[in-house]
Amino acid sequence: DAGVIQSPRHEVTEMGQEVTLRCKPISGHNSLFWYRQTMMRGLELLIYFNNNVPIDDSGMPEDRFSAKMPNASFSTLKIQPSEPRDSAVYFCASSLQGGETQYFGPGTRLLVL
Amino acid sequence: KQEVTQIPAALSVPEGENLVLNCSFTDSAIYNLQWFRQDPGKGLTSLLLIQSSQREQTSGRLNASLDKSSGRSTLYIAASQPGDSATYLCAVGEGADGLTFGKGTHLIIQP
Repeated sequence: DAGVIQSPRHEVTEMGQEVTLRCKPISGHNSLFWYRQTMMRGLELLIYFNNNVPIDDSGMPEDRFSAKMPNASFSTLKIQPSEPRDSAVYFCASSLQGGETQYFGPGTRLLVL
Repeated sequence: KQEVTQIPAALSVPEGENLVLNCSFTDSAIYNLQWFRQDPGKGLTSLLLIQSSQREQTSGRLNASLDKSSGRSTLYIAASQPGDSATYLCAVGEGADGLTFGKGTHLIIQP
């Protein structure tokens, strides 16, 4: 059974460019979460979806960040325009239902120059 | 706002020792608590999940306890092995929402 799949695994871009991160949750999981990890702040929740509907996006740092979940098997996190301070590892996680064990993808390591 | 603290930030012990990692949280109205392991450059692996109504969970050499009223959880690792070297993260869930994470304990087991 495949786990959570994220792409790309690494992304290097220049300031001002648009970045799109992708996530495929575990089949049958109804909740999907996007987190960001930095040395300074650790792991922080950005946004989560339940049954493809965004429930809480209060963790999204700025309007430059947006996330969508057009169907149960795909989600995107977009940063436009990107800035150097967005450099971090972005994780996607899914769970069967909200409040149950979360399973994390391998992460996307983003570097904005 | 929920805050999660993990002590110590780093720990180095000889192989074979039993050890305890600590986690504390400020708001005791939690739904569950989850312990993860993170290897360098990798994602997070779930180790144990304790529901708020439970006192402990066990998996192999790992035992996690939860004292909700005092806002504390511990992860006990028995007979540590070099392969246990990793960063251990404690995370609190407050319902169907996402998790609030501690900064982790970086564990090194010396062969």
